[in-house]
Amino acid sequence: QVQLQQSGPGLVEPSGTLSLTCTVSGGSLSGNSWWTWVRQSPGEGLEWIGEIFHTGHNNYNPSLRSRATISEDRSKNLVFLTVTSVTAADTAIYFCARRQYGMGGIDSWGQGILVTVSS
Amino acid sequence: DVQMTQSPSSLSASVGDRVIITCRASLDIGNYLAWFQQKPGEAPRSLIYAASSLHSGVPSHFSGSGSGRDFTLTITSLQPEDFATYFCQQYNRFPFTFGPGTTVDIK
Repeated sequence: QVQLQQSGPGLVEPSGTLSLTCTVSGGSLSGNSWWTWVRQSPGEGLEWIGEIFHTGHNNYNPSLRSRATISEDRSKNLVFLTVTSVTAADTAIYFCARRQYGMGGIDSWGQGILVTVSS
Repeated sequence: DVQMTQSPSSLSASVGDRVIITCRASLDIGNYLAWFQQKPGEAPRSLIYAASSLHSGVPSHFSGSGSGRDFTLTITSLQPEDFATYFCQQYNRFPFTFGPGTTVDIK
């Protein structure tokens, strides 16, 4: 059973860069899965940020206006998210998740990490 | 973007009730539709993929149906642990999008 654990700073200053790490255990990044980031603003719904495949191919949500980058370190089973030029609107709980290739959809979620953008 | 709507936005029900939540996509998404359950302070839990397939470990009193633009999540015989918020998500077209959620609370 794959397990996902997010880590990173819980507080980021406005105009700064948000950097999060997702540690994947019980599975390999090289499998047939997309590694995904989703966020949820306080009291709001879910927003898909983007994903990465083991080939290095990415898909992103244009709503972040190219501020988001998802990368990986397959040797360490880590997936990274960076969001640049953050504002208060980026305050949210950030989840990493695994989406199965094809019809499988998201089948595993990390517990989430709250990131607050504030000075 | 594909807009996802859900109805109702909230409902009150009793243990043992049958609950039906609908999800509509603004475009045809085939059956690339997932359902998630989320309880306060927790991560979402994956319930259903491909509109009607249950993820491993999901109780059989959950079921999904639909294709194209209209989908339903049915909870037969609501259990105490089922009181939560339910989201649908389309993963047919980028960017993937979620519905606004339906909160099921205790009557």
